[in-house]
Amino acid sequence: EAGVTQFPSHSVIEKGQTVTLRCDPISGHDNLYWYRRVMGKEIKFLLHFVKESKQDESGMPNNRFLAERTGGTYSTLKVQPAELEDSGVYFCASSQLQGAITDTQYFGPGTRLTVL
Amino acid sequence: QKEVEQNSGPLSVPEGAIASLNCTYSDRGSQSFFWYRQYSGKSPELIMSIYSNGDKEDGRFTAQLNKASQYVSLLIRDSQPSDSATYLCAVNNFNKFYFGSGTKLNVKP
Repeated sequence: EAGVTQFPSHSVIEKGQTVTLRCDPISGHDNLYWYRRVMGKEIKFLLHFVKESKQDESGMPNNRFLAERTGGTYSTLKVQPAELEDSGVYFCASSQLQGAITDTQYFGPGTRLTVL
Repeated sequence: QKEVEQNSGPLSVPEGAIASLNCTYSDRGSQSFFWYRQYSGKSPELIMSIYSNGDKEDGRFTAQLNKASQYVSLLIRDSQPSDSATYLCAVNNFNKFYFGSGTKLNVKP
């Protein structure tokens, strides 16, 4: 079974540009999560999709970030316009069982974003 | 106050010793607890999950949970150099995962 995949693995852009990150969850996983780790800090929650609906987007830093999951399969996270503080590693995770305490999230390899 | 606290380390242990990693969390309503291992530049990899008080063993790994003390630990027996990595404690509170900043473990041959 294929794991969570993310594209691209690395992205280097200039301040003010737009970047779109993609995540393909494990097949059959309705839950999809985005996280971010900035250098030296802990991994922080950004948002949670259940199928195509945003369940919780309380971690999104500001309105420069837009996440979508059309059709309830893959998800994209767009940063527009990018700022220097957006640099970090963006992780995607997916899980199968909503609301169950035994639910386990499986992580993708991450996208390392560098904003110059 | 951070949701999940971990000592950043590094924790150095000799090969074959027991490594003990600790984590505390702030929200008493937290429901499930996880240990992930992350090698440099890689994604977090699930090692153990634990949901109820007590110990849970899986091979060389034992997770311990004490909800009254809001404390989770991971013991690694017979530590190997390949165990050298950053260990992340994660706490699930209504589908939102909170992570500690991780403890770096070095196992010296």
